[in-house]
Amino acid sequence: TQLLEQSPQFLSIQEGENLTVYCNSSSVFSSLQWYRQEPGEGPVLLVTVVTGGEVKKLKRLTFQFGDARKDSSLHITAAQPGDTGLYLCAGEETYNTDKLIFGTGTRLQVFP
Amino acid sequence: GAVVSQHPSWVICKSGTSVKIECRSLDFQATTMFWYRQFPKQSLMLMATSNEGSKATYEQGVEKDKFLINHASLTLSTLTVTSAHPEDSSFYICSASTGQTQFFGPGTRLTVL
Repeated sequence: TQLLEQSPQFLSIQEGENLTVYCNSSSVFSSLQWYRQEPGEGPVLLVTVVTGGEVKKLKRLTFQFGDARKDSSLHITAAQPGDTGLYLCAGEETYNTDKLIFGTGTRLQVFP
Repeated sequence: GAVVSQHPSWVICKSGTSVKIECRSLDFQATTMFWYRQFPKQSLMLMATSNEGSKATYEQGVEKDKFLINHASLTLSTLTVTSAHPEDSSFYICSASTGQTQFFGPGTRLTVL
C-alpha cells in the first residue's frame, strides 16, 4: 500500500506569514493533487501536477512536484484567514489511473 | 464544473439499524465512483471503488457485507451501512470520476446512537 505522509500535521500562523506543507512518499505516483477541505464539506481540488519537477502557481499558492514524482510541496505566501482549512495531497496510483491515495493531512489555522 | 451530490447530508440513527447514502453525479456520467470515510481530524480513507453494473472493489479491512455498495447507473451509487453501530459514526464522502478527474460530494455525516 502506498502511503503519503504530510508535514507538518498542524500549523497555526499569523496573517501575512509564509508557510510550506510537504507531502512525501517512498512510492512513485503518476500524478499528485492538492485539495483543501473545510469542516463538514467535501475536499475541493486546488491543483494537479503531473510532470516530475513541475511547478504550478495559483495566486499566492505555489505547488511543486518532485523530480522523482514521489513528493510534493505547497507553499503559501502571505497567508490569509481565508486560507484556513485542511490541506490534503493525494497521489494517483501508477497502475490505476482512477484511484487516489490521500495524504495524512495538514490542518492550517491562520489568525488575523 | 462537474457537480456531485450526496443525500442525506447528515443522519442520526439508532444502533442496529441500516442507513443508505446516495451519491449522484448531476451533470456528467461517472465511469467510476469511490466511497471514502473520514474520522474527525483525520484524512480520507478509501473504502471501495464502484463501477456501474459490477461488484464493488473493497479496500483491505473494509467489510463488504457491512458496507453494501450498489452502482445502478452511471450517475448513481449508494452505500448502505448495515446494522450500524456507534463506531460506524463518521463522515462519508463519495466521489465520481470521469476517468481523468474525481469530483467529490459534500459528504454525509452519520451519527449512530
